[in-house]
Amino acid sequence: EVQLVESGGGLVQPGRSLKLSCLASGFTFSNYGMNWIRQAPGKGLEWVASISSSSSYIYYADTVKGRFTISRDNAKNTLYLQMTSLRSEDTALYYCARRLPRGWFAYWGQGTLVTVSS
Amino acid sequence: DVVLTQTPVSLSVTLGDQASISCRSSQSLEYSDGYTYLEWYLQKPGQSPQLLIYGVSNRFSGVPDRFIGSGSGTDFTLKISRVEPEDLGVYYCFQATHDLTFGSGTKLEIK
Repeated sequence: EVQLVESGGGLVQPGRSLKLSCLASGFTFSNYGMNWIRQAPGKGLEWVASISSSSSYIYYADTVKGRFTISRDNAKNTLYLQMTSLRSEDTALYYCARRLPRGWFAYWGQGTLVTVSS
Repeated sequence: DVVLTQTPVSLSVTLGDQASISCRSSQSLEYSDGYTYLEWYLQKPGQSPQLLIYGVSNRFSGVPDRFIGSGSGTDFTLKISRVEPEDLGVYYCFQATHDLTFGSGTKLEIK
């Protein structure tokens, strides 16, 4: 069974940094592209970043480019999102999701909540 | 940037009836390889989103055949025949042909 478990969320002050993790199990992690998607409270879904299976291809939404860094450790079956210069508008539930060959977000975790506030 | 416009914003349906959701794109979603990267997701109350349809009309594993995706170019539709109680939630279309963007969502309620 595919499982994705996010962690690392919490309350952080504007301008500070936070690193999210997503531990994967139930599949060969190194074979699949991975993604981060977020959802602000009461709002819709927003794609944040994607990384290919070998980290060769990395993409970011314009809203986080230059501030967030997606990475992965295939030996540890873990996906990361390093977030810097956090803003109040980054407050959201952050989900990690696994790709299919032709589908982008086939499996989702339960999310980790990031709250940016002073 | 590609904008996906979903209509209606909300939909109230009687159990057993059909529901239809439209997703219109500001640009054609057919990629240069001929594939159309248009997907549909459902977020049930209090849950993470789940993939329903990829590539316009391909149902993901375990998705009932009551869910039917169709369309081409800029106009796409998700039809749910014989709506059941577990179908309530917010439906999002999503495109990955030009960057990656979600529609704003359609809330399905049961009458």
